[in-house]
Amino acid sequence: EVQLVESGGVVVQPGGSLRLSCAASGFTFDDYTMHWVRQAPGKGLEWVSLISWDGGSTYYADSVKGRFTISRDNSKNSLYLQMNSLRTEDTALYYCAKDMGGTVAGTTYYFDYWGQGTLVTVSS
Amino acid sequence: DIQMTQSPSTLSASVGDRVTITCRASQSISSWLAWYQQKPGKAPKLLIYKASSLESGVPSRFSGSGSGTEFTLTISSLQPDDFATYYCQQYNSYSKVTFGPGTKVDIK
Repeated sequence: EVQLVESGGVVVQPGGSLRLSCAASGFTFDDYTMHWVRQAPGKGLEWVSLISWDGGSTYYADSVKGRFTISRDNSKNSLYLQMNSLRTEDTALYYCAKDMGGTVAGTTYYFDYWGQGTLVTVSS
Repeated sequence: DIQMTQSPSTLSASVGDRVTITCRASQSISSWLAWYQQKPGKAPKLLIYKASSLESGVPSRFSGSGSGTEFTLTISSLQPDDFATYYCQQYNSYSKVTFGPGTKVDIK
């Protein structure tokens, strides 16, 4: 059974930093691109970032480019999101999501498994 | 950037109704479109990918169609478990992913 478990969400002041983690199990982690998607309270979904299976390619939404860094440790089946220069508008539930494709199909940009999310609140 | 719109924003329907949700892209996205269902307090669930492909395990009452700029999600006979919010999502080149604003399906 595929499981994605996020952690690291806390209350942080504007301008602060935070590192989110996502522990993956139930699939061959290093075969798949992984994504972060966020949802502000009561709002819709916003894609944040992706990282290829080997960590060689990363992409970001314009809203977080230059402030957030996605990374992965395939030896630990873990995905990370380093969040710097946090703003109040970054307040959201952050989901880790698995891409549907694999090393053969490539990145599909469809998210077939999601974690339950970790809440980041940026507030003074 | 490609903008996504959904209509209606809220839909009131009864069990057994045929329900159609429309998603429009500001420019052509070929068939790079997915649909997700989200219930309160839960993560989204993939229903349809590549505009019309049914994700494994998703009931056949869900179907997707369209290409280019206009897409539809149809629920052929609404079931009690289907009351939720539905999002479309597109991918275009330059690795930009955007979601529609969502359509809430509630009980009439």
